[in-house]
Amino acid sequence: GDSVTQTEGLVTLTKGLPVMLNCTYQTTYSPFLFWYVQHLNEAPKLLLKSSTDNKRTEHQGFYATLHKSSSSFHLQKSSVQLSDSALYFCALKTGFASALTFGSGTKVIPCLP
Amino acid sequence: EAAVTQSPRNKVTVTGGNVTLSCRQTNSHNYMYWYRQDTGHGLRLIHYSYGAGNLQIGDVPDGYKATRTTQEDFFLLLELASPSQTSLYFCASSDAYRGGQLYFGEGSKLTVL
Repeated sequence: GDSVTQTEGLVTLTKGLPVMLNCTYQTTYSPFLFWYVQHLNEAPKLLLKSSTDNKRTEHQGFYATLHKSSSSFHLQKSSVQLSDSALYFCALKTGFASALTFGSGTKVIPCLP
Repeated sequence: EAAVTQSPRNKVTVTGGNVTLSCRQTNSHNYMYWYRQDTGHGLRLIHYSYGAGNLQIGDVPDGYKATRTTQEDFFLLLELASPSQTSLYFCASSDAYRGGQLYFGEGSKLTVL
């Protein structure tokens, strides 16, 4: 079946530095990839999504590019802020009637220099 | 703004107890989902539905029943609760197209003693 892998469980970094969260997926169908963000004690919310190969999609300073050749959809931001402290989920959808398959999530903790 | 409301928000029961989690959406969405969130596992799909009377089995259905009584209402039933079902449960709804984002409720924290 479909699967999503997020290799980092926790990322701690200094405010102002760039961040990249890894996401790879496995499916035999055409993929639609999503990133959701969950702040403390809140529900997950959509951050960005894409089904177009090699096209960068951006939202709220975050960006990601779907690369079907490497089955990847890494999330990046050029300068992380304290308000970016959250849990980030990568998710995959394939068929019209299918549900989302989520990765295990990456917790991001920015800290002051 | 899309709205998904869950109740109860917090529930404590004992092993073998009977629990019903309720979810109502006012988005006019066809699809509704139940996920559980556990540290290290991300969001795992329990059951989902694409309309009143319909039920689809998710990835972790054991020990759970679900029922979609109307387009708005989706219930998750634990008839013999076990400590392994202690978790944070999220209901979500989405449109009936491949890129449709999930709109999540605020979550229901269930503790089984």
